[in-house]
Amino acid sequence: DTGVSQDPRHKITKRGQNVTFRCDPISEHNRLYWYRQTLGQGPEFLTYFQNEAQLEKSRLLSDRFSAERPKGSFSTLEIQRTEQGDSAMYLCASSTQGFTDTQYFGPGTRLTVL
Amino acid sequence: AQSVTQLGSHVSVSEGALVLLRCNYSSSVPPYLFWYVQYPNQGLQLLLKYTSAATLVKGINGFEAEFKKSETSFHLTKPSAHMSDAAEYFCAVSPGGQNFVFGPGTRLSVLP
Repeated sequence: DTGVSQDPRHKITKRGQNVTFRCDPISEHNRLYWYRQTLGQGPEFLTYFQNEAQLEKSRLLSDRFSAERPKGSFSTLEIQRTEQGDSAMYLCASSTQGFTDTQYFGPGTRLTVL
Repeated sequence: AQSVTQLGSHVSVSEGALVLLRCNYSSSVPPYLFWYVQYPNQGLQLLLKYTSAATLVKGINGFEAEFKKSETSFHLTKPSAHMSDAAEYFCAVSPGGQNFVFGPGTRLSVLP
């Protein structure tokens, strides 16, 4: 068990550029979650996967955001045409089953949009 | 809609003093409740969780929390604070296990 990893840890981009983040969950975990955390706030739920199926998307996830989990393993979160308001920490977590199970979080990817 | 409030965005205690971090939730269905901690430059980790068994839940590092349905509360306590407890603490609710909502967090400072 190597824990949840995220790559990159930091990303600085210019407004209008596309960015992609990767999350590698704990290998036997079926559930994978994405959250966004801004300074001084708690994590906000974005979306989650049960294996390769994306089961829910928050209204926070505009059309510029897309997430995938091919083959039920790692996941990617892409933001197209980034805006300054997208600047945040993007967190990934995984768990064995549902929301009542312990979620194991990665270190996060900090996005700065200039 | 479900929500979580945490009274006090910043709490300071002296080393050895009681730690009390407040959490109130709203949920139209029986909730599952969690406390997560975020140490500086580290990922969130679970402290403890309530899943409809015992109302007093013991977690790691000497923390515990009590589920009080009548007060819709799940306050976190520790009898004696240690310097290493300084961190951000998040309460979270999963209403009926259907989704997951974090509170805004409370930053705990421990003074020598």
